[in-house]
Amino acid sequence: DGGITQSPKYLFRKEGQNVTLSCEQNLNHDAMYWYRQDPGQGLRLIYYSQIVNDFQKGDIAEGYSVSREKKESFPLTVTSAQKNPTAFYLCASSKGLAGGYEQYFGPGTRLTVT
Amino acid sequence: GDSVTQMEGPVTLSEEAFLTINCTYTATGYPSLFWYVQYPGEGLQLLLKATKADDKGSNKGFEATYRKETTSFHLEKGSVQVSDSAVYFCALSLGGSSGGYNKLIFGAGTRLAVHP
Repeated sequence: DGGITQSPKYLFRKEGQNVTLSCEQNLNHDAMYWYRQDPGQGLRLIYYSQIVNDFQKGDIAEGYSVSREKKESFPLTVTSAQKNPTAFYLCASSKGLAGGYEQYFGPGTRLTVT
Repeated sequence: GDSVTQMEGPVTLSEEAFLTINCTYTATGYPSLFWYVQYPGEGLQLLLKATKADDKGSNKGFEATYRKETTSFHLEKGSVQVSDSAVYFCALSLGGSSGGYNKLIFGAGTRLAVHP
């Protein structure tokens, strides 16, 4: 079955540590995205990538970094510079960047930093 | 700027009741409109979509019509079930011919609780 996998489902880290969240898709989609969700709020875009080796900042990129070395993979690193890293992180993909292409979401990773 | 406004929740209904969740949007250009559903502890699933004015999206008994004149995309279901309990997000997407990227702009979400 095609889909998006994110691992792990729950992640705990100490303050000051960098942490990398995994996102893999086997839908053969060109575009991939990272969102952050906070309680009672909608999703906010962190980074997106249209194609391998290319990515762009979203609305809240500060304190995060990404890479896109393979079409299937788009890992997100939450750095120690991110002031409020505790959140639910969602990865998504779509066929392309054109409006109207639906985005497919992974199951999410809940990150807790103490 | 571009935005989506949803009715605040939680919405609490009895099983088999009629559901309406209001969604209005502000956008430059001609957005595509989406409803996503999020079950507890999970990611978002696309529920339905509409890409142009007067289109009706439908899925699993849910419907929403793209109303350009009122800039709305209200979600409706004639008879809800306990299994419909979830958070529902309205979203718009701009991009493509407008030159932008496929940015999804989400509403804050509306929690629905259905009781037997």
